[in-house]
Amino acid sequence: GAVVSQHPSRVICKSGTSVKIECRSLDFQATTMFWYRQFPKKSLMLMATSNEGSKATYEQGVEKDKFLINHASLTLSTLTVTSAHPEDSSFYICSAPKSTGMTEAFFGQGTRLTVV
Amino acid sequence: LAKTTQPISMDSYEGQEVNITCSHNNIATNDYITWYQQFPSQGPRFIIQGYKTKVTNEVASLFIPADRKSSTLSLPRVSLSDTAVYYCLVGTNSGYSTLTFGKGTMLLVSP
Repeated sequence: GAVVSQHPSRVICKSGTSVKIECRSLDFQATTMFWYRQFPKKSLMLMATSNEGSKATYEQGVEKDKFLINHASLTLSTLTVTSAHPEDSSFYICSAPKSTGMTEAFFGQGTRLTVV
Repeated sequence: LAKTTQPISMDSYEGQEVNITCSHNNIATNDYITWYQQFPSQGPRFIIQGYKTKVTNEVASLFIPADRKSSTLSLPRVSLSDTAVYYCLVGTNSGYSTLTFGKGTMLLVSP
């Protein structure tokens, strides 16, 4: 079946550095992908909608210059956390809908980011 | 987007049937009801989706009454590995749809 692969699964970085997280749809094309953030024991919070070939749409309160999203192909979206700080430490998850308009989505394995 | 309300947590024992109810009083005509399962440090996994009446697959059943203002996820004969957070989501399948996650229900299955 369709799979969404996210990489890396864990990353530790120093404050002030940038970290790139990749989200790939392995056997289907995803014109749209979603990026979520999840704090411990909390629900997923939608950060942004990544659109292939165009600018991402960010949710209210999410800094677009802080969380750079690029969706350069139909199978790859990347999230770059720029100038990371300890408060950016979180679990980041991407997803792609099964097809446009479907509420059934495939999720990546998630990336645990720790900023020290 | 219709808001959903679920119990924060539930406890069960292995072999029992577990029913998790979700309220969605403001569900729209075009909205579907979808349930996801999430284990710690993993992305959510689709369980089941329905529009009305009853849907069953190899892992769960979904019961939706005629007014569609609530739905019940039924897990038959749970095992320890069913311990997870279960999310109920409501959204349209027409046009473009984002998934908005509520707080979910933490199900703990004990021996």
